[in-house]
Amino acid sequence: AQSVAQPEDQVNVAEGNPLTVKCTYSVSGNPYLFWYVQYPNRGLQFLLKYITGDNLVKGSYGFEAEFNKSQTSFHLKKPSALVSDSALYFCAVRVPGTYKYIFGTGTRLKVLA
Amino acid sequence: KAGVTQTPRYLIKTRGQQVTLSCSPISGHRSVSWYQQTPGQGLQFLFEYFSETQRNKGNFPGRFSGRQFSNSRSEMNVSTLELGDSALYLCASSLSLAGETQYFGPGTRLLVL
Repeated sequence: AQSVAQPEDQVNVAEGNPLTVKCTYSVSGNPYLFWYVQYPNRGLQFLLKYITGDNLVKGSYGFEAEFNKSQTSFHLKKPSALVSDSALYFCAVRVPGTYKYIFGTGTRLKVLA
Repeated sequence: KAGVTQTPRYLIKTRGQQVTLSCSPISGHRSVSWYQQTPGQGLQFLFEYFSETQRNKGNFPGRFSGRQFSNSRSEMNVSTLELGDSALYLCASSLSLAGETQYFGPGTRLLVL
């Protein structure tokens, strides 16, 4: 079955430290990969996406993600975390040949001052 | 450009009632998708509409239905509400090109008593 996994329910990191939020997927073909962020009582906001090309994708608010085809991963990273980055992060995959998106269960990022 | 709007933002219903939620996509976007978000199940895909046609459907019972109008606005309807239908319902719009980003509305929070 096609799926997206975010293995960590919560990630804690100190402000100023680098952060990583993990995502792996199980989808046949070459999927499109996305990261979204959700702040309390808000909808999801687009951060970045990978379709093809350079494995390192840069997005909004200083975030970047690295696509690794052999490990079927698309981890979200930021070199220096801010308290304001604290939110719920979702990884998503668009299934090739369809317009269907599969979302991970979300990872809550908490950046400590 | 105005973002995706959803009405109402909050709704309280009782079991057995029905509810209709509305979504207005970003101008020019022709695809509208609906998701249900709950703490236990995460983000679950309901259905997607493009040019007034349902293009994809998730694994929800027939009580959940939707439609799209010629101006791309979409409604979803839930009949015979159950307690478990309490959730945040999110609408997302996109241009509907391959790999296109989905843009989410703020959601409608439904509470079923």
